Amino acid sequence: QVQLVQSGAEVKKPGASVKISCKASGYTFSDYYMHWVRQAPGQGLEWMGIINPSGVSRSYAQKFQGRVTMTRDTSTSTLYMELSSLRSEDTAVYFCARLNYYDTSNYVVFDIWGQGTMVTVSS
Amino acid sequence: EIVLTQSPGTLSLSPGERATLSCRASQSVSIRFLSWYQQKPGQAPRLLIYGASNRATGIPDRFSGSGSGTDFALTIGRVEPEDFAVYYCHQYGSSPAFGGGTKVEIK
Repeated sequence: QVQLVQSGAEVKKPGASVKISCKASGYTFSDYYMHWVRQAPGQGLEWMGIINPSGVSRSYAQKFQGRVTMTRDTSTSTLYMELSSLRSEDTAVYFCARLNYYDTSNYVVFDIWGQGTMVTVSS
Repeated sequence: EIVLTQSPGTLSLSPGERATLSCRASQSVSIRFLSWYQQKPGQAPRLLIYGASNRATGIPDRFSGSGSGTDFALTIGRVEPEDFAVYYCHQYGSSPAFGGGTKVEIK
């Protein structure tokens, strides 16, 4: 079935970097834009950025510019998100999500989500 | 940047009651880009409504969406026990954004 499976939980110290993976299966990975969304404990959803199907083009939320890098490996159908200079406020669950177009491209949705990866930043 | 404001923050209801959740945008949003998601504790969000008023596959017809421009709403006709969750509206513009969420809890 169509699914996104993310890597496991991470614990990092302030100032370190973390790289999370998101492996796609059940569909043609290189046909879809992908996004990352995060959720701090007890908080709402926060959009982080998008990467195009080929991986050549990316766009990041201004808040994360300079600290986030999104990449993808079409040979393994895997998406990556690396966040650097971690601080305690980056403690959150990070989700990958597939962008899809419904009804002959009239509508835009996040239709498939990974299960989430908990990143804890603590000294 | 479009900001989405959801109200109320929390809605306390008994099963069988009707729920109306509001999502107000700081600028006009195309209905093409307005969707609603449901999230239960420890789970990823799930697509409920797309295009402001279209139910996603497998979503019961007690869920309905409406609105245009800057004002949108999600209605649950009669809340079932499995509907107690947090609901987020979302706009997919040049800078995608989610509303702050409305928690539907058991009264």
